[in-house]
Amino acid sequence: DTGVSQDPRHKITKRGQNVTFRCDPISEHNRLYWYRQTLGQGPEFLTYFQNEAQLEKSRLLSDRFSAERPKGSFSTLEIQRTEQGDSAMYLCASSQGAGKVDGYTFGSGTRLTVV
Amino acid sequence: DQQVKQNSPSLSVQEGRISILNCDYTNSMFDYFLWYKKYPAEGPTFLISISSIKDKNEDGRFTVFLNKSAKHLSLHIVPSQPGDSAVYFCAAPYGGSQGNLIFGKGTKLSVKP
Repeated sequence: DTGVSQDPRHKITKRGQNVTFRCDPISEHNRLYWYRQTLGQGPEFLTYFQNEAQLEKSRLLSDRFSAERPKGSFSTLEIQRTEQGDSAMYLCASSQGAGKVDGYTFGSGTRLTVV
Repeated sequence: DQQVKQNSPSLSVQEGRISILNCDYTNSMFDYFLWYKKYPAEGPTFLISISSIKDKNEDGRFTVFLNKSAKHLSLHIVPSQPGDSAVYFCAAPYGGSQGNLIFGKGTKLSVKP
């Protein structure tokens, strides 16, 4: 297993366009998380899944954002009608259980630039 | 409301010396804490965690200390190496299902040869 994979690594899009990111977690991990990081800030929680169930969503996740994890494997994060404020690094992570001892394993992220 | 605070945006240390990174928190309900290291263009990498029932956890060159009465934790790196230069984040899980990690803003550590 090569860890958590995210695709694409970089995305430049025009304001108003829709974008979709993909995350492939570590195969034996049942939890999958999405975070967003902007310059000078720590990662901010967006949402997480346990298997295929989306258990928690942040108020940061406006109705333009939607995340799915069909069959409890890979996940997608879609942003509709992108705005310049959506420009950020989008990080995916996975863990087996709550990750209290081993933490979460993060991917390298997708950097989104909205122009 | 910043529940996890890292008040030093940067720290510079000489190779071989000790690096001490600090973190304060406001929520007394946090029951464990984690430290992550992040290199540019990479995702955060888990370093070490500590349960709130302990006051110290050690893993090789990394030791985390927790002072619950002061709501303060610190990460000690001894000896510091140039490869330790990165941004360090402390984090704590929030919410009933503990799926939400709250991160501090990070401290950029520079270890000079």
